[in-house]
Amino acid sequence: NAGVTQTPKFQVLKTGQSMTLQCAQDMNHEYMSWYRQDPGMGLRLIHYSVGAGITDQGEVPNGYNVSRSTTEDFPLRLLSAAPSQTSVYFCASSYSGLASTDTQYFGPGTRLTVL
Amino acid sequence: GNSVTQMEGPVTLSEEAFLTINCTYTATGYPSLFWYVQYPGEGLQLLLKATKADDKGSNKGFEATYRKETTSFHLEKGSVQVSDSAVYFCALSDPIRYGGSQGNLIFGKGTKLSVKP
Repeated sequence: NAGVTQTPKFQVLKTGQSMTLQCAQDMNHEYMSWYRQDPGMGLRLIHYSVGAGITDQGEVPNGYNVSRSTTEDFPLRLLSAAPSQTSVYFCASSYSGLASTDTQYFGPGTRLTVL
Repeated sequence: GNSVTQMEGPVTLSEEAFLTINCTYTATGYPSLFWYVQYPGEGLQLLLKATKADDKGSNKGFEATYRKETTSFHLEKGSVQVSDSAVYFCALSDPIRYGGSQGNLIFGKGTKLSVKP
């Protein structure tokens, strides 16, 4: 049972490049989400999904795209990277996302630098 | 809107000192409250949670009580260790979400704790 896995761990991009951050979980969780962590800002929700085929925007969705074709995977796409997207990205999952009491399980993070 | 406010860090303590990290919140309903911990170079992991008023969450010697009257969820530990050095995040999820998921978390900015031997 690997939990929540993220790849890559580190990535450097040039402005305008695109890339996909991968996230997978093996706990059969319905809910998955992406957060970004910036110094002095805590974690902010980018996008989330309550099940395969269902996605929605969080607090800071601009410049990011998601899709959820399977229960296990929830990739985050940067369409045209900008320096403002330099951050640490965390993927998280929980059992349903339909209960405010659910515990979320976080991946180890991807540190992204955009030059 | 919903929000979480944590005390500013960093906090530096000597081993065996008493720890308090303050957390207050605003929410539309009766949220669930969480403390997550992030050790250096790692992702976040749940430390403890409380899902209704007057509940006390506890784990690894840490505890926090859900105080509805003061809208607070302060984290305490009686005797910290060097291994407790980490960043601590207070968070809430609100059962009343207009257009969103009840599972979405709102985080405070985090408090960095350093414990010296």
